[in-house]
Amino acid sequence: EVQLVESGGGLVQPGGSLRLSCAASGFTFSDYWMNWVRQAPGKGLEWVANIKQDGGEIYYVDSVKGRFTISRDNTKNSLSLQMDSLRAEDAAVYYCASSMTWSHGMAVWGQGTTVTVSS
Amino acid sequence: SYEVTQPPSVSVSPGQTASITCSGDKLRDKYVCWYQQRPGQTPLLVIYRDTQRPSGISERFSGSNSGNTATLTISGTQPMDEAEYYCQAWDSSHVIFGGGTKLTVL
Repeated sequence: EVQLVESGGGLVQPGGSLRLSCAASGFTFSDYWMNWVRQAPGKGLEWVANIKQDGGEIYYVDSVKGRFTISRDNTKNSLSLQMDSLRAEDAAVYYCASSMTWSHGMAVWGQGTTVTVSS
Repeated sequence: SYEVTQPPSVSVSPGQTASITCSGDKLRDKYVCWYQQRPGQTPLLVIYRDTQRPSGISERFSGSNSGNTATLTISGTQPMDEAEYYCQAWDSSHVIFGGGTKLTVL
């Protein structure tokens, strides 16, 4: 079964850090771009970052540039998102999602992990 | 930065055809995808590369992209189609989502 499972969400104070993980199974992880997409409560989808199959290309939405770091380990079929200097506006459900190419869309999504930023 | 715009809501009667638009400058030059998100569920890809349906997606879903507007069309709309729909494009290797359209089937 093709599956993405996120973990690592939780409650963190403003300015704090959190590391999200995404475990992939059921498909050849190294063949896919991987994305992080977030959704604040009651709001729409917002793309956060993505990383190419070999890790050679990485892109971020401007609002997280310099604070978040996406990485992948193809030997462990895992994706990570290191989030530093967290702000209240970063609170959301964070999804990892895979896409074969940039034009194929994100066909597989995890169930999401919730990040709460509050003092 | 590039933006795409969707209407906040669309209403349709059961059995009728629903059309949801996504507008952006020269959007025809970019591939567009569409996602369905039912309440409490994760997004589901329903259209990619403007017109392509992933395996398992009903033929009632179709897409087009011309000029500055991409359109998701749902024919024979059913109550189960009631959901939020998001368009998505790529621009300079960045993923751009529209704000979402709430489809109400009434």
